[in-house]
Amino acid sequence: QSVLTQPPSVSGAPGQRVTISCTGSSSDIGAGYHVHWYQQLPGTAPKVIIYANSIRPSGVPDRFSGSKSGTSASLAITGLQVEDEADYYCQSHDNSLSGSVFGGGTKVTVL
Amino acid sequence: QLQLQESGPGLVEPSETLSLTCTVSGGSITTHTFYWGWIRQPPGKGLEWLGYIYYNGNTYYNPSLKSRVTISADTSQSQFSLKLTSVTAADTAVYYCARRPYDIRMPLTWGQGSLVTVSS
Repeated sequence: QSVLTQPPSVSGAPGQRVTISCTGSSSDIGAGYHVHWYQQLPGTAPKVIIYANSIRPSGVPDRFSGSKSGTSASLAITGLQVEDEADYYCQSHDNSLSGSVFGGGTKVTVL
Repeated sequence: QLQLQESGPGLVEPSETLSLTCTVSGGSITTHTFYWGWIRQPPGKGLEWLGYIYYNGNTYYNPSLKSRVTISADTSQSQFSLKLTSVTAADTAVYYCARRPYDIRMPLTWGQGSLVTVSS
C-alpha cells in the first residue's frame, strides 16, 4: 500500500482536461515538503514533468501543471493528447521515514 | 551530464541475496549535495523507496524492508550498491538507482532500471 493516495485511473477525450490528485498526511505533503510528478511510459524509467509542486522542467509542454494545498497536490493535463497516455506518479518526502514516498500511480487513458 | 547505470544478475534464487551496483558517471557521489539510493517497481505495480546513502556513509532505509536491506558505497569506483537478503518472489521487480538532491525541492534523477526475477 502506497503512502500517498492517487486514483488508479483517469480518462478523457483528446483536448479535454483531466486532473490527478495525490493525498498525503501531516508527515509528508502536509509537513510542507514539495511534491514532484513523474510520467512513466511502458518499459521506461519515470521522467519528471513537474517538480517543487508546480515547476515545469524545460521541454515539458505547458499543458501540464501542478498545484499543492494542505496535505494534497494535483496534476492537471489540459488539451489532452494521445501521447499523454502513461502512468503518472506523485512523490514527496516523509520526515518520519527520512525517505521518499510515492503515490500508487494513475493510468491516464485518452479515449 | 549525470548518468546512473544499474548492473547485476537478472535472476536470483529464493532465499538468496539480491545484489545490484549503480555506477555513476558525470557526477561525484562524495558531494554533500546529494543522496544516492534505490527504488523498485514490481511488474505492473507502483514505486517503492528502498533506501538512501549519504556522502558521509549515513544510511536511511524503508522500515518495511530495513532488516533485509543494506546500501553501501565505493567512492573510488564512483559506485553504490544494494543488497537485499532472503529474497522471495515478491521481490521480483525493476530496481532503479536514483540520486536525491539534498534540497528536496528538486526531483529524483533515475537510472534506466534493472529487472531482477526471483525464481528457482
